[in-house]
Amino acid sequence: AQSVTQPDIHITVSEGASLELRCNYSYGATPYLFWYVQSPGQGLQLLLKYFSGDTLVQGIKGFEAEFKRSQSSFNLRKPSVHWSDAAEYFCAVGLSKQLTFGKGTKLSVIP
Amino acid sequence: ETGVTQSPTHLIKTRGQQVTLRCSSQSGHNTVSWYQQALGQGPQFIFQYYREEENGRGNFPPRFSGLQFPNYSSELNVNALELDDSALYLCASSTGDSYEQYFGPGTRLTVT
Repeated sequence: AQSVTQPDIHITVSEGASLELRCNYSYGATPYLFWYVQSPGQGLQLLLKYFSGDTLVQGIKGFEAEFKRSQSSFNLRKPSVHWSDAAEYFCAVGLSKQLTFGKGTKLSVIP
Repeated sequence: ETGVTQSPTHLIKTRGQQVTLRCSSQSGHNTVSWYQQALGQGPQFIFQYYREEENGRGNFPPRFSGLQFPNYSSELNVNALELDDSALYLCASSTGDSYEQYFGPGTRLTVT
C-alpha cells in the first residue's frame, strides 16, 4: 500500500543544535515531495518541495531536504535550530491529485 | 497577494446535524482541496475541486460533499454529523494540476 512514514513522533533538541527529521515513502514511482510545518492552532506552511532535478532542495527558514531515491527518503535538515522552530512537521507526497501526509513529527526546542 | 481564508474559525455541532464550512482561495488559484486533520494525525484528503467540478476524492463517504463557485471559493458540507467528524478541516488552494498547495488556517469542528 502507498504510504508516508515519519518514524519519529516527537524529537527534542537544544537551541543551536542541528536537526534531521526523517521521512520515508512507499510508492511505485518517484512522487512529488513536500515538507510542511504547523504551529499550534495554525494551518500548514510549505517549507520546501521536490519535483525533479537537484536532490538537495533549499526551503524557507533555513531548512533543506535531500531526496534519496535508493532509500525512498526525503529527510528534512537544519544546521542550527531556533526556539521558534518548535512546531509539528509533516512530510507529504503528491500523487493522483492529492497530497498524502505522514503522521507528523513534533519538534520541541530546549533553550 | 491574499492568502487562503476559512470561516468560521471554530464550530460546535450536535451529532446528526449538518455543517457548511467555507474557503476562499489564494489570489490567482483556481483549484481547491479539502483535508480533514484529526487530533494527533496528519491531514487526510477529502476531495478537490477544479473549474467548479469535483476533480478527485479520497476515502470519505458521500455525506461529505462540496461546491466550488465561479470565483473559485469553495464550501465543504457534511451531513448527519458523527462524533468522529470532530477535527480540524483544512482548505488548500493551488493552480491547475499543481501539487504545490497553500493552506488556510482551518476550521475546528467539534461534534457533541
